[in-house]
Amino acid sequence: KNQVEQSPQSLIILEGKNCTLQCNYTVSPFSNLRWYKQDTGRGPVSLTIMTFSENTKSNGRYTATLDADTKQSSLHITASQLSDSASYICVVSARHSGAGSYQLTFGKGTKLSVIP
Amino acid sequence: DAMVIQNPRYQVTQFGKPVTLSCSQTLNHNVMYWYQQKSSQAPKLLFHYYDKDFNNEADTPDNFQSRRPNTSFCFLDIRSPGLGDAAMYLCATSRLGEQYFGPGTRLTVT
Repeated sequence: KNQVEQSPQSLIILEGKNCTLQCNYTVSPFSNLRWYKQDTGRGPVSLTIMTFSENTKSNGRYTATLDADTKQSSLHITASQLSDSASYICVVSARHSGAGSYQLTFGKGTKLSVIP
Repeated sequence: DAMVIQNPRYQVTQFGKPVTLSCSQTLNHNVMYWYQQKSSQAPKLLFHYYDKDFNNEADTPDNFQSRRPNTSFCFLDIRSPGLGDAAMYLCATSRLGEQYFGPGTRLTVT
């Protein structure tokens, strides 16, 4: 069964500090891994997307890593801002055989709170 | 520019009263998805369309139906909403594996 596990479940950090969120997955056949930021009451917004051959990808203060061998990913947030307070969701995609659609497996997310 | 649009953003309906949520896209993506997301939970896939082909998840209740009259629009019909159907409903589109989410519709059932 495809699964995505995220840790920690929630995190509180001071403004300006760095933090790292973790994602472990068992999804097959692996297509790509994405990190989304979801503000309360809003739809998820994509931060990064990585395929099997990519180890790291940055988007501003967000840097995602992927270790396809250990099936682990991390999202590092540098110099956090109050606006970073949100849920961060790891989503792993598996391609349906013989079709153009993809099955997504969602983690439950890490709820990040950045406080002044 | 809005790419995946959901209307309304907030919907209140009465117990048992049919309700329709709408989603439109300007991306011309061939795949459209409907997800249900309850508080502090991951989105749960209800069904998706690959072009006109409808794919229902095995555990999606019969109370939930969908229509896709054309590439741009997709509707979620809840025939008899129960209190347990109160949630955020997310529409998403994709092409070649990249998914784009709409802002969601928050459904309240009274």
